[in-house]
Amino acid sequence: AQSVTQPDIHITVSEGASLELRCNYSYGATPYLFWYVQSPGQGLQLLLKYFSGDTLVQGIKGFEAEFKRSQSSFNLRKPSVHWSDAAEYFCAVAPRYNNNDMRFGAGTRLTVKP
Amino acid sequence: EAQVTQNPRYLITVTGKKLTVTCSQNMNHEYMSWYRQDPGLGLRQIYYSMNVEVTDKGDVPEGYKVSRKEKRNFPLILESPSPNQTSLYFCASSLGLAGGDEQFFGPGTRLTVL
Repeated sequence: AQSVTQPDIHITVSEGASLELRCNYSYGATPYLFWYVQSPGQGLQLLLKYFSGDTLVQGIKGFEAEFKRSQSSFNLRKPSVHWSDAAEYFCAVAPRYNNNDMRFGAGTRLTVKP
Repeated sequence: EAQVTQNPRYLITVTGKKLTVTCSQNMNHEYMSWYRQDPGLGLRQIYYSMNVEVTDKGDVPEGYKVSRKEKRNFPLILESPSPNQTSLYFCASSLGLAGGDEQFFGPGTRLTVL
């Protein structure tokens, strides 16, 4: 069965430092891959998605993610974190034939220190 | 503004008292779904709807009902709420189920069942 693992429940970084959030998936074939952000009191907002092609994907708010097929990973990165990036981040996967079967990771909560 | 709205945003109720959480989208999307979010579990799908009068169970449908009488609305009904349904609920919509159609999420409804 497909699954998504976000190994880090909570990460704290200093403002201005770089960030990497990990995501690993288990799937029969390469799925569609997504990162969502949930700010406090808000719904989920799509940061970026990978369907095919270039394995380095650029998203909104300065985020990028790299798909590594050999490692079944889709890690999210940002070179310099801002205090407004404090939020919860969810990795999600969906099969190519049915976006309804989207699976979410448990989430990683990001705290940004001044 | 394109959006998914949910009401109420916060609700405290008692065991057994029927309640409805409304969800409405103004994007003419065919696909809508409900998720619940619990700590450490990410988002899990409750029910989804492919179109008017077409609904189906997700991963955790027990204790919930839905209806889709109009394209824009997809209410979630708890006929006899129990404390284990205390959770954060999200409604989402997308154009369809074609590979990678972006899901747009509502702001969430935090439900507490005493």
